[in-house]
Amino acid sequence: AQTVTQSQPEMSVQEAETVTLSCTYDTSESNYYLFWYKQPPSRQMILVIRQEAYKQQNATENRFSVNFQKAAKSFSLKISDSQLGDTAMYFCAFLYQGGSEKLVFGKGTKLTVNP
Amino acid sequence: EAQVTQNPRYLITVTGKKLTVTCSQNMNHEYMSWYRQDPGLGLRQIYYSMNVEVTDKGDVPEGYKVSRKEKRNFPLILESPSPNQTSLYFCATGGTGNEAFFGQGTRLTVV
Repeated sequence: AQTVTQSQPEMSVQEAETVTLSCTYDTSESNYYLFWYKQPPSRQMILVIRQEAYKQQNATENRFSVNFQKAAKSFSLKISDSQLGDTAMYFCAFLYQGGSEKLVFGKGTKLTVNP
Repeated sequence: EAQVTQNPRYLITVTGKKLTVTCSQNMNHEYMSWYRQDPGLGLRQIYYSMNVEVTDKGDVPEGYKVSRKEKRNFPLILESPSPNQTSLYFCATGGTGNEAFFGQGTRLTVV
């Protein structure tokens, strides 16, 4: 069974600085997807970034980028120029395509951006 | 606008009183699923459906039922709710390698 581990329950960063959230996962599969979801206080689940395992190039979406290390099974999220609106819970998630299409989530990292 | 709509958003109920949380999507997705979110545990899958009339258990199905009589709807049924089912529930569609679309969430409290 796949597992996703987020080792940082809480983190904080000053506005305009850079922060990196860690995520590791365990799987024996070779074809899968990885995601970072953001959950602000509104509780809405918002997709931040997506990475296909077969792609070596790290995904980037504006201020958000990932460091995908397939061999190490690591998928960290870097947030540059942090903004107050980035304050949220962040979930790392794994999707194995070929089974039940189930997203497996980590336990989350609560990020606070301080002014 | 692509939407996954859950109702109700908030619900307080008593132990043993049957309830249904509705989920409807307008994206014609075949795949739908239910998750529950608990502090320190992340989101865990309760049930999922690959298509109409096809449902299967996720990781935490005990105490829940679902049905998929039509493509757009996937209700979650708690026949006899208990306090340990107090949680935040999400319906989601897609999940086929593309973005999974989530509903707004339902905060359920069972007293």
